[in-house]
Amino acid sequence: AQTVTQSQPEMSVQEAETVTLSCTYDTSESDYYLFWYKQPPSRQMILVIRQEAYKQQNATENRFSVNFQKAAKSFSLKISDSQLGDAAMYFCANTGANSKLTFGKGITLSVRP
Amino acid sequence: AAGVIQSPRHLIKEKRETATLKCYPIPRHDTVYWYQQGPGQDPQFLISFYEKMQSDKGSIPDRFSAQQFSDYHSELNMSSLELGDSALYFCASSLSPRSGDEQYFGPGTRLTVT
Repeated sequence: AQTVTQSQPEMSVQEAETVTLSCTYDTSESDYYLFWYKQPPSRQMILVIRQEAYKQQNATENRFSVNFQKAAKSFSLKISDSQLGDAAMYFCANTGANSKLTFGKGITLSVRP
Repeated sequence: AAGVIQSPRHLIKEKRETATLKCYPIPRHDTVYWYQQGPGQDPQFLISFYEKMQSDKGSIPDRFSAQQFSDYHSELNMSSLELGDSALYFCASSLSPRSGDEQYFGPGTRLTVT
């Protein structure tokens, strides 16, 4: 079984600053994938970044990067140079041998101008 | 680029009625997933299909059924609707059922049961 925990319900960041969103997970599988999804007010689910568990190198996508700590089962998302458009709900998720996504409870990120 | 299409976008039904939600995956995607997101909740996996066969099943009530058709579109049928079924229903598609393949989400169908 897969579980994903996001313990911070809300965070706020000043525009142009950096913010880190936390996520921990648990899995009994050796091969799995981790994801961060963004859900803006439109409610569309948008993939932000993906990490293969077998890769030690942390994934990066422009201003978004992750800190993947496999032993600690931690998968945090760092957003650099925060923009007003980054304001959204962010969900951490994982998949295992089956491909269904298991999501955390999400965190609401607000960006202060 | 083509995206996942869901119809209808909004649906209002009364208790005990039936609803049918449709999903049209991205062309050449043979895998479809359905998720339910209640108010203020995270999305919950309902069911998935690969090559028109059910591939996995999650917390889907017995009142719900789904299938994938020969053109790969999928339909989620919901009967005896309850107030608690009010939610945003997402369909997602991927190129294959492999665990790491990106799932592309549709805009969702917002179901309101009164």
